[in-house]
Amino acid sequence: AQTVTQSQPEMSVQEAETVTLSCTYDTSESDYYLFWYKQPPSRQMILVIRQEAYKQQNATENRFSVNFQKAAKSFSLKISDSQLGDAAMYFCAYRYGDNAGNMLTFGGGTRLMVKP
Amino acid sequence: NAGVTQTPKFRILKIGQSMTLQCAQDMNHNYMYWYRQDPGMGLKLIYYSVGAGITDKGEVPNGYNVSRSTTEDFPLRLELAAPSQTSVYFCASSYSSRFGYTFGSGTRLTVV
Repeated sequence: AQTVTQSQPEMSVQEAETVTLSCTYDTSESDYYLFWYKQPPSRQMILVIRQEAYKQQNATENRFSVNFQKAAKSFSLKISDSQLGDAAMYFCAYRYGDNAGNMLTFGGGTRLMVKP
Repeated sequence: NAGVTQTPKFRILKIGQSMTLQCAQDMNHNYMYWYRQDPGMGLKLIYYSVGAGITDKGEVPNGYNVSRSTTEDFPLRLELAAPSQTSVYFCASSYSSRFGYTFGSGTRLTVV
């Protein structure tokens, strides 16, 4: 079974600084997708960024970027120029194959606090 | 732009009561999922469906039932509620594994 591990229960960052959230996963598959979701206090789950395992290039979405290390099975999220609105729980998630029936497996989450 | 709609948003149940959490999506997604999120934890899969009439168990199915009579609706039934079922419940749908899920806004359930 696939597992996703987020080793940092909590992180804090100063506003305008950069922070990196860690995620590792365990799989024997070669075709899979990785995601970062943000969950603000409203509890809505918001997709931040995704990465296709067959792509070597790291995904980027504005201030959010990933460092995808396939051999190490590592998928970290970097948030640049942190803003107060970035404060939230962040979940790393894994999904294998190209069959939409395949489920997302989530990590335990990292709570990010942003200090003004 | 409804996406995935969950009702109710909040509910308090007494031990032994039953209820149905409603989930509907208007995106014609074949794939739908129910997750629960315990306080400070990640999401765990309860049940999922790959199309109308087809459902299957996830990681934590005990105490729950589902049905999928239409593409749009995927209700989750709690029978004989227990305090261990106090959680936030999320419904989600998907068109393709490439694009992740579209989530509902969640239902906060407390069993007392």
